[in-house]
Amino acid sequence: DQQVKQNSPSLSVQEGRISILNCDYTNSMFDYFLWYKKYPAEGPTFLISISSIKDKNEDGRFTVFLNKSAKHLSLHIVPSQPGDSAVYFCAAFSQGGSEKLVFGKGTKLTVNP
Amino acid sequence: GAGVSQSPRYKVAKRGQDVALRCDPISGHVSLFWYQQALGQGPEFLTYFQNEAQLDKSGLPSDRFFAERPEGSVSTLKIQRTQQEDSAVYLCASSSVSGSGYGYTFGSGTRLTVV
Repeated sequence: DQQVKQNSPSLSVQEGRISILNCDYTNSMFDYFLWYKKYPAEGPTFLISISSIKDKNEDGRFTVFLNKSAKHLSLHIVPSQPGDSAVYFCAAFSQGGSEKLVFGKGTKLTVNP
Repeated sequence: GAGVSQSPRYKVAKRGQDVALRCDPISGHVSLFWYQQALGQGPEFLTYFQNEAQLDKSGLPSDRFFAERPEGSVSTLKIQRTQQEDSAVYLCASSSVSGSGYGYTFGSGTRLTVV
């Protein structure tokens, strides 16, 4: 049973346009969500996070939106740049529970010049 | 060091062989995690240390997997009698605070191939 789902294995966008990566979760105990970015042969790098008490968090070109009732979050990248091409992982955990993060399978983003 | 260092970067093991994977976390980081990432999948939790104490080992897939962090810094993940399904990238991550709210810093991983 996959508790964190990223249903789009890949996404391709034009440079300068918006990239929207989606993530769904099933465990209602999750109350903190993170996005990681991964380049080939490197470890994942923390990008942005959001607590369940918020519905939006913004950091430069990156914005994460959380819809708790739908158990859905999304990462918006505006404007997209070729250097954003990577695999993006959505992750979640319960602050009152285990320290472990539960990851989705990832979405490979390609930004075309 | 500046980041989380893992060694070796690549390891090829014959089925049945024992392997040991090393993780050097960022100096002073109290929390250390091991994850397993199979091809095409997201990282999956294996085990968690706070200093030298192993607080959660619920993700270790079998008793062939063993992790230690005896002095609260360097950690070793040992896999005994490796099998083909153990082939994966093993990621180590560390964090300066208890709790994942600030995000981990991951190493580049060890790619284990069992032949």
